[in-house]
Amino acid sequence: GAVVSQHPSWVICKSGTSVKIECRSLDFQATTMFWYRQFPKQSLMLMATSNEGSKATYEQGVEKDKFLINHASLTLSTLTVTSAHPEDSSFYICSAAPSDLVDEQYFGPGTRLTVT
Amino acid sequence: QKEVEQDPGPLSVPEGAIVSLNCTYSNSAFQYFMWYRQYSRKGPELLMYTYSSGNKEDGRFTAQVDKSSKYISLFIRDSQPSDSATYLCAMSSQAGTALIFGKGTTLSVSS
Repeated sequence: GAVVSQHPSWVICKSGTSVKIECRSLDFQATTMFWYRQFPKQSLMLMATSNEGSKATYEQGVEKDKFLINHASLTLSTLTVTSAHPEDSSFYICSAAPSDLVDEQYFGPGTRLTVT
Repeated sequence: QKEVEQDPGPLSVPEGAIVSLNCTYSNSAFQYFMWYRQYSRKGPELLMYTYSSGNKEDGRFTAQVDKSSKYISLFIRDSQPSDSATYLCAMSSQAGTALIFGKGTTLSVSS
C-alpha cells in the first residue's frame, strides 16, 4: 500500500527557534500534499495545500510567513515553523494524494512539536 | 453549523458487539467519503473509501453513504479490543482536494 513518512516524529524546541518537518511519499509520486494540525482531542484542521513546483495555498487564518511550505519534488514536502511559540505546540500531520489515485489520501504518522 | 458533524463519544462496547459510527454533513457537493482510524499519537489510517451513495464492505467493516440524507455510517462487526481507537469521517467534493474531517469518535472495546 501507499506509505507516507514524516521526520522527525517528535521534536522539542525553544521559543523563537525554527523547526523543519519533512513529509515523504515512499512508494508513489504525490502531485499534491496537504498539511494538517491536530490539537489534543480535536480533529485535523487543514493548514495548507502543497503542489509540486508551485506555491502552497494556505487556509484562512494560517500565517504563510510563519509556516513555510516547500514541495520541491513529487515525493517530498517540508513544513518549517519559524519563530516557534508555545501555542504552536501541536501534532502536525501530512497527507499525500497519489497522482494516479487522486481520490484517496494517505497520511503520515505525524510529528509532535513541543515548544518550550 | 459545521460542515461535518460527528459525535465524539466516547463509545464503549463489549467484545463481539456491532458498532455503528455516524457522521452528518451539510455540503451537498461532497462526493468522496472516507473513514479513518487513528490510534493515540499516530497518523490516521485509511479504512474505507466510498464514492457517492451506496454501501461498501471490507471484512468486518461496512461503510454506507446516504447522500439524500447527508448521512454516512461505518459499521464494525464482531468488534475486537484492537478496534479501540478514534474513528474519523472525512469527505471532499473533488478528487485530490483537501479533506474535511469530523471531530472523531473514540471507541473502546472491552474484552
